[in-house]
Amino acid sequence: NAGVTQTPKFQVLKTGQSMTLQCAQDMNHEYMSWYRQDPGMGLRLIHYSVGAGITDQGEVPNGYNVSRSTTEDFPLRLLSAAPSQTSVYFCASSGGAQYEKLFFGSGTQLSVL
Amino acid sequence: AQSVAQPEDQVNVAEGNPLTVKCTYSVSGNPYLFWYVQYPNRGLQFLLKYITGDNLVKGSYGFEAEFNKSQTSFHLKKPSALVSDSALYFCAVRDMGSSDMRFGAGTRLTVKP
Repeated sequence: NAGVTQTPKFQVLKTGQSMTLQCAQDMNHEYMSWYRQDPGMGLRLIHYSVGAGITDQGEVPNGYNVSRSTTEDFPLRLLSAAPSQTSVYFCASSGGAQYEKLFFGSGTQLSVL
Repeated sequence: AQSVAQPEDQVNVAEGNPLTVKCTYSVSGNPYLFWYVQYPNRGLQFLLKYITGDNLVKGSYGFEAEFNKSQTSFHLKKPSALVSDSALYFCAVRDMGSSDMRFGAGTRLTVKP
């Protein structure tokens, strides 16, 4: 079982560059979300989606865009990267009989110089 | 909005001793409460949840947690700690009427032989 797959695992960007973090799940989950993890701050919710075509903002949405054109994919876009966006990013999904339990990807470590 | 507090950054216990990792929460409605564990360079893994029913919830790897509504707490416990339990533990809460889950800052558990 692939579960939640995130790519890339590591990325280094220069300030002002753009990029997309990919997230895909093969469990037919309706709910998907993006978190960033920073030391001493735990996981903070960036954006989430309750189904294809529906997205909403979390705690720290500024500087990030998302879209949900299919059930399987939920990419996170950084339009103009800033050093403050240096973090570890996790994608998570939930749905089906275990709708309240989140399944996490293995993370993307992003450095913005 | 819902929130979670984990008052201890670090918990140290000796192998074989009982362990407790503390969590308090704030929600406007009925809480769904969770514990997740993160091992180095990995995504988060689900340990246990409280949705409704018995206040004492049992989960993976011998962990349990007690829901206390009057104290708005959901402390994680294990009767006998193992060195392999050493990891970062996150408490999370979701309001029953909300679609997003909020995490605490995390508590690093170290179990010494």
